[in-house]
Amino acid sequence: DGGITQSPKYLFRKEGQNVTLSCEQNLNHDAMYWYRQDPGQGLRLIYYSQIVNDFQKGDIAEGYSVSREKKESFPLTVTSAQKNPTAFYLCASSSGGSSYNSPLHFGNGTRLTVT
Amino acid sequence: AQSVTQLDSHVSVSEGTPVLLRCNYSSSYSPSLFWYVQHPNKGLQLLLKYTSAATLVKGINGFEAEFKKSETSFHLTKPSAHMSDAAEYFCVVSEWDNFNKFYFGSGTKLNVKP
Repeated sequence: DGGITQSPKYLFRKEGQNVTLSCEQNLNHDAMYWYRQDPGQGLRLIYYSQIVNDFQKGDIAEGYSVSREKKESFPLTVTSAQKNPTAFYLCASSSGGSSYNSPLHFGNGTRLTVT
Repeated sequence: AQSVTQLDSHVSVSEGTPVLLRCNYSSSYSPSLFWYVQHPNKGLQLLLKYTSAATLVKGINGFEAEFKKSETSFHLTKPSAHMSDAAEYFCVVSEWDNFNKFYFGSGTKLNVKP
C-alpha cells in the first residue's frame, strides 16, 4: 500500500543534541511538508519542498533544517538552536506541481521529547 | 491570504445523535476545502474534500459537508454519532499560488458520550 512512513514513532533526546526525523513516501508525490503540532495550536508549517533539491522555509523554520536529495525522502533535523523542540511532528505529501486541489497525505507522526 | 476559523474548540454529543462541526473560511479565490480527522498520537486522515464539483460532499464514515459560498462556510455533519468518531477534526483550506499552500483551522475535539 502507498503511504508515508515516519520513524521513529517516539524519540527522546537530551537538550543540546541534534536529532533527525525520518520521512519516506511511496506515493510518487512531488511536494512534501513538515508540520509541528502543539496542544491547542493546530498545525504549523516548518519547511516544504516542491521538488528534489529544492525546499522553502515555512512559518516556523528557525532551529530546523531539511534536505531533499531523493523524491521519496524528506528528513527533518531539529537542531540545538530550536528553543522548544518537544512536540509532535507530522510529515505530509501532495501531488503538488500542477495538481490544484490535491489533498495532503500524512504520516503517523513522530513525538519528540527533549529533556 | 486564506484563514480558517473552527467555531468550536470542543463539541460533545451522545452516541446516536447528530454531529455538527462548524468551519468558516476567508478566501481571495475559489478555495479547495478539506476536512481531516486525527485520533490520538496519529496522523491526519482525509475525511472529504470540496473542489467545486458539487456543494454537498460525501466523505468516509458517514460524514458529509456542505459548501456555502454566500456564508463562507464548510460545516461537517454526520446524522448519527458513533463512539469511534471521538477524535479531533481539522478544517483545511488550500490556495494555489504556483504551489499548494494549506491553511489549518485550530481543530475541534469531538467527544461522544455513551
